[in-house]
Amino acid sequence: NAGVTQTPKFRVLKTGQSMTLLCAQDMNHEYMYWYRQDPGMGLRLIHYSVGEGTTAKGEVPDGYNVSRLKKQNFLLGLESAAPSQTSVYFCASSSQGPRGAGEQFFGPGTRLTVL
Amino acid sequence: GENVEQHPSTLSVQEGDSAVIKCTYSDSASNYFPWYKQELGKRPQLIIDIRSNVGEKKDQRIAVTLNKTAKHFSLHITETQPEDSAVYFCAASMEETGANNLFFGTGTRLTVIP
Repeated sequence: NAGVTQTPKFRVLKTGQSMTLLCAQDMNHEYMYWYRQDPGMGLRLIHYSVGEGTTAKGEVPDGYNVSRLKKQNFLLGLESAAPSQTSVYFCASSSQGPRGAGEQFFGPGTRLTVL
Repeated sequence: GENVEQHPSTLSVQEGDSAVIKCTYSDSASNYFPWYKQELGKRPQLIIDIRSNVGEKKDQRIAVTLNKTAKHFSLHITETQPEDSAVYFCAASMEETGANNLFFGTGTRLTVIP
């Protein structure tokens, strides 16, 4: 079991460029999440998905789009990158527990720099 | 939405001493409170969690307490070891049907001095 994987690990973009971050999980989890982590600000939820074909906005969704065409994959897209999107991006997944979604398992992160 | 505050931002302790990290939350509907440990350059990993129907939970050297009335919860690490050095994040969410959207605190960098 690889758990949660992310590609790429590092990326440098110029302002205005676009890119897609890929998250994959092999645990058959229903729920998937994208967070960004900035110094001194903890992790903030960008978008999440409760199942294949569904997505929803989190705390800081502006400038990002997501898609979940397959249950195991959750894609995060930046259509026109801005320096403010320089961050470390973490994907996470969780399964349905007795009271709702259970423990979130995180991927290794993608360090993105926008020049 | 939920607002989680975490203190202190940095904490240094001597090996063998105890460490306490405190968090407060704003939304009384929150009922799930996990703690994550993140080592330098690594992913966050769950170390312990507590739900609002209990006041305390313990796992070896780690314990978490919850005061629903005051809306605060704390992480206690006893007999600290150098490998406990990391950044610790508290979080809060309303765990019902559907996704478990976590609101994180800003983190505490714990340094255990050998």
